[in-house]
Amino acid sequence: GAVVSQHPSRVICKSGTSVKIECRSLDFQATTMFWYRQFPKQSLMLMATSNEGSKATYEQGVEKDKFLINHASLTLSTLTVTSAHPEDSSFYICSAYGYTDTQYFGPGTRLTVL
Amino acid sequence: AQRVTQPEKLLSVFKGAPVELKCNYSYSGSPELFWYVQYSRQRLQLLLRHISRESIKGFTADLNKGETSFHLKKPFAQEEDSAMYYCALRGTSGSRLTFGEGTQLTVNP
Repeated sequence: GAVVSQHPSRVICKSGTSVKIECRSLDFQATTMFWYRQFPKQSLMLMATSNEGSKATYEQGVEKDKFLINHASLTLSTLTVTSAHPEDSSFYICSAYGYTDTQYFGPGTRLTVL
Repeated sequence: AQRVTQPEKLLSVFKGAPVELKCNYSYSGSPELFWYVQYSRQRLQLLLRHISRESIKGFTADLNKGETSFHLKKPFAQEEDSAMYYCALRGTSGSRLTFGEGTQLTVNP
């Protein structure tokens, strides 16, 4: 149990386009989901906290208009990178806060912006 | 503010040797501490948490509030323990985690 999926696992896009990443909790309901960014050989950096049915809380320095987060249901949160630029290329990871008071992590999405 | 420090980016030991991955934290209240592990090409997964006081895959970690540490230990390392290990802290006010920089453990045959 407690599986979190992300889709797509890998995406390549042109500069200026928008990319949507989905995060789903497959077998549990997640009132809270988190979005992280991980640069090569670095730790996870929390971008935002997303609660179902309410606006996301963004960490300092994260542009909310650039990284749009929607948490429309207890099993789905989406991150949309708007007008992507090469510096947005990174590994994006979501996690879902579950019934065992634990965060369960998705496998991550590799975004490459050309 | 909460902060987690893992002083070693890389740690290399031989199979069968003891291993200790260091983690220090700063937090004004009573935190919860976790160790997460990320094997090659796999997702991050919870290894253990201090409130459980359990041993997972031979690993243990004790919260030392006096030294503000939560070091991860295993008496006899195995090759399959090679992975990236992250120490993480959660404050009492919410569910967000603050991660350390991670330690890449390599267990040599």
